Amino acid sequence: NAGVTQTPKFRVLKTGQSMTLLCAQDMNHEYMYWYRQDPGMGLRLIHYSVGEGTTAKGEVPDGYNVSRLKKQNFLLGLESAAPSQTSVYFCASSLRGLYYGYTFGSGTRLTVV
Amino acid sequence: GEDVEQSLFLSVREGDSSVINCTYTDSSSTYLYWYKQEPGAGLQLLTYIFSNMDMKQDQRLTVLLNKKDKHLSLRIADTQTGDSAIYFCAETKSGGYQKVTFGTGTKLQVIP
Repeated sequence: NAGVTQTPKFRVLKTGQSMTLLCAQDMNHEYMYWYRQDPGMGLRLIHYSVGEGTTAKGEVPDGYNVSRLKKQNFLLGLESAAPSQTSVYFCASSLRGLYYGYTFGSGTRLTVV
Repeated sequence: GEDVEQSLFLSVREGDSSVINCTYTDSSSTYLYWYKQEPGAGLQLLTYIFSNMDMKQDQRLTVLLNKKDKHLSLRIADTQTGDSAIYFCAETKSGGYQKVTFGTGTKLQVIP
């Protein structure tokens, strides 16, 4: 039972490059989320999805795009990376109700130079 | 708007009890959670409590909720070095998709 798997675990990008972070869950969860974690800022929601084919903006969506073509996958794209996007990115998933809380992936550490 | 506040740091000796505190502002919060984050890992759900409960105990963990003061605490009995981590408080409401608000986390250091 893998839970939530994020790839890659680490990445260094040059300013202006693009990349896609992949999140996969095998728990048949309806909801999926992308967060970024920065020192002193806690967790901030970037985008989320309440079902296959749907996405919505969170607190800090600028500079990111997402897609949820399959229920088990949630992709986060950076079209033109900026140093301000240096962060640790976490994907999470949950059942439709929040009774059981979120299941988090182990994170992707991204550095933009 | 919603806000969740925690102290940044707590240091305790191994074997003592740890108490991590959290205050929240949204009086309509329905679910309150404690998550644990170990170095280099994602957040792991430790426990949760519904707003109609005052206390929940789960082995070494005791959660206390004072709804009047909007105060949540996590007590860890017989704290071990393996409990060293960052602990996040979070809150949300029931009904469809609802935003979960996380605190900034309390770093617990356990001294052997």
